[in-house]
Amino acid sequence: EDKVVQSPLSLVVHEGDTVTLNCSYEVTNFRSLLWYKQEKKAPTFLFMLTSSGIEKKSGRLSSILDKKELFSILNITATQTGDSAIYLCALNNNAGNMLTFGGGTRLMVKP
Amino acid sequence: KAGVTQTPRYLIKTRGQQVTLSCSPISGHRSVSWYQQTPGQGLQFLFEYFSETQRNKGNFPGRFSGRQFSNSRSEMNVSTLELGDSALYLCASSPTGRETDTQYFGPGTRLTVL
Repeated sequence: EDKVVQSPLSLVVHEGDTVTLNCSYEVTNFRSLLWYKQEKKAPTFLFMLTSSGIEKKSGRLSSILDKKELFSILNITATQTGDSAIYLCALNNNAGNMLTFGGGTRLMVKP
Repeated sequence: KAGVTQTPRYLIKTRGQQVTLSCSPISGHRSVSWYQQTPGQGLQFLFEYFSETQRNKGNFPGRFSGRQFSNSRSEMNVSTLELGDSALYLCASSPTGRETDTQYFGPGTRLTVL
């Protein structure tokens, strides 16, 4: 059975700190790994990673995938209170459009 | 472009009843997937529809069913509701349903079963 594990489960930091969120997986033959941010209801898309070793960046957020070691990380630099959310990692397998999600990391950024 | 829309946003039902939830994908998107989110189990895949055909199905009982219409709008139905069906039901759409497509989520329907 495909498995996606995120760590830590929760994290409390202060504004300006840098955080690293981890996503490890035991999935065979996946095609893409996605990161989402969920604040209230709808998860909003952050990144899609398909190739190992290529960093994706968007402002203060960046992510990278290591297919050999079976993990991905999401970095957030200079955190702001608006970054407080649950961050979800998901894998899209080869059988179509079916996402397997990790349990999420709850990030709280204090002023 | 308008995002994914779901109706209703909130629903309260009692055990044994049935419920139908609706999802309208982003214009031009042909794949619609449904997910259940609970505090204990997290986000779990229910099923995916593409061109009116169910293409993938998750590990849920037969009480959970769905369909897709020719305009790509989708509905999911849960029959004989149980307390454990209380959850946030999210749908997501993508252009073609390929594994490298990004899925965009709607705001969800919060179902409470009493």
